[in-house]
Amino acid sequence: QQQVKQSPQSLIVQKGGISIINCAYENTAFDYFPWYQQFPGKGPALLIAIRPDVSEKKEGRFTISFNKSAKQFSLHIMDSQPGDSATYFCAALTGGFKTIFGAGTRLFVKA
Amino acid sequence: GAGVSQSPRYKVAKRGQDVALRCDPISGHVSLFWYQQALGQGPEFLTYFQNEAQLDKSGLPSDRFFAERPEGSVSTLKIQRTQQEDSAVYLCASSLPPAGSYPPYNEQFFGPGTRLTVL
Repeated sequence: QQQVKQSPQSLIVQKGGISIINCAYENTAFDYFPWYQQFPGKGPALLIAIRPDVSEKKEGRFTISFNKSAKQFSLHIMDSQPGDSATYFCAALTGGFKTIFGAGTRLFVKA
Repeated sequence: GAGVSQSPRYKVAKRGQDVALRCDPISGHVSLFWYQQALGQGPEFLTYFQNEAQLDKSGLPSDRFFAERPEGSVSTLKIQRTQQEDSAVYLCASSLPPAGSYPPYNEQFFGPGTRLTVL
């Protein structure tokens, strides 16, 4: 059963544009929501994370928006660059160790 | 200043063979995790160790899958009698402290994975 649904599956954005990836979850026990970036042949790397008592978190060009009532959260990448081209995964945890990942979004930023 | 390393990076096995995948976590990291990542999908949790203790193995797909971490450092994921559906990338991750009960949880550092292909 897919507990974290991610969209879109793939995304093409012009350099300098905004990339937006959306996720929805079902389990209200989730209490931590990280985003991971994965390049081909590499393992995922933590990008940014948020707790559900916060509606927004920004780190550099990356922002998470969180809507607890709708059980949705999204990643915004401002001023997208070709080096941002990668696969992005949203995830959710409760209890600190069992991470549930979304299916991933392949982002391509055109130069 | 090594990160998490995994070996081999690629493994091809004939159906029915046993395989062993190795994970070397970051030195001193207490927590160790194994994930399975099918092509085009997100990683799926397999099992979690705190030091040498396997605290959760609920994600292991069948009794053909077995993981160990006997001395609390290096871990091995063993798959017996491999099947074609076992083909995937197997990721290992480690984090410094024990996995906590409250957020913010400790960052997991992932290795590059082992790509297993079962023919």
